[in-house]
Amino acid sequence: AQSVAQPEDQVNVAEGNPLTVKCTYSVSGNPYLFWYVQYPNRGLQFLLKYITGDNLVKGSYGFEAEFNKSQTSFHLKKPSALVSDSALYFCAVRDNKGRRALTFGSGTRLQVQP
Amino acid sequence: DGGITQSPKYLFRKEGQNVTLSCEQNLNHDAMYWYRQDPGQGLRLIYYSQIVNDFQKGDIAEGYSVSREKKESFPLTVTSAQKNPTAFYLCASSIRLAGESDTQYFGPGTRLTVL
Repeated sequence: AQSVAQPEDQVNVAEGNPLTVKCTYSVSGNPYLFWYVQYPNRGLQFLLKYITGDNLVKGSYGFEAEFNKSQTSFHLKKPSALVSDSALYFCAVRDNKGRRALTFGSGTRLQVQP
Repeated sequence: DGGITQSPKYLFRKEGQNVTLSCEQNLNHDAMYWYRQDPGQGLRLIYYSQIVNDFQKGDIAEGYSVSREKKESFPLTVTSAQKNPTAFYLCASSIRLAGESDTQYFGPGTRLTVL
């Protein structure tokens, strides 16, 4: 069975500093990986995805993620954090069997301090 | 959230009642999904549908039912058999079920509270 782990419940970073939100995965076959962001009482917004090719994926709002096959990781990064980036972030892996649903990590709350 | 609407935003249910959550999409997507979100947990799959008049159980289908009579609509009914229905419910859609790289897009969610 596939799984996703987000080892940090919360990440605190000062505005203007770089941020990293960690994600590791377990899946048989090729991984299809996604990052979503959720603001309070809202649905999930798609940030970026890794399908194949370049290990550094660029997404919305200046976010990027680095795929590392040997470490089975897909960490989300941003060079300079904004207070408005404060939200709940989810990593997900696509089921590569019939149903194609997403398996989500438990989420990481990012708090950016001014 | 654009293209997927969910209603109502907040819903209160009494013990023993069935309630129905609405999900509509105008993206012309074939596949639709229902997830449940509880605090401190990721989203868990309740039901999914890849085509009209077809749907499949996800990981936590007990106490829930769905229908897919139209491509754009995928309502979820929370029945009285669901023992702990208080949660945030999210509907999603993607172009195809079989496309591994297809992105799932989410609606704004419905928060259900049992009184």
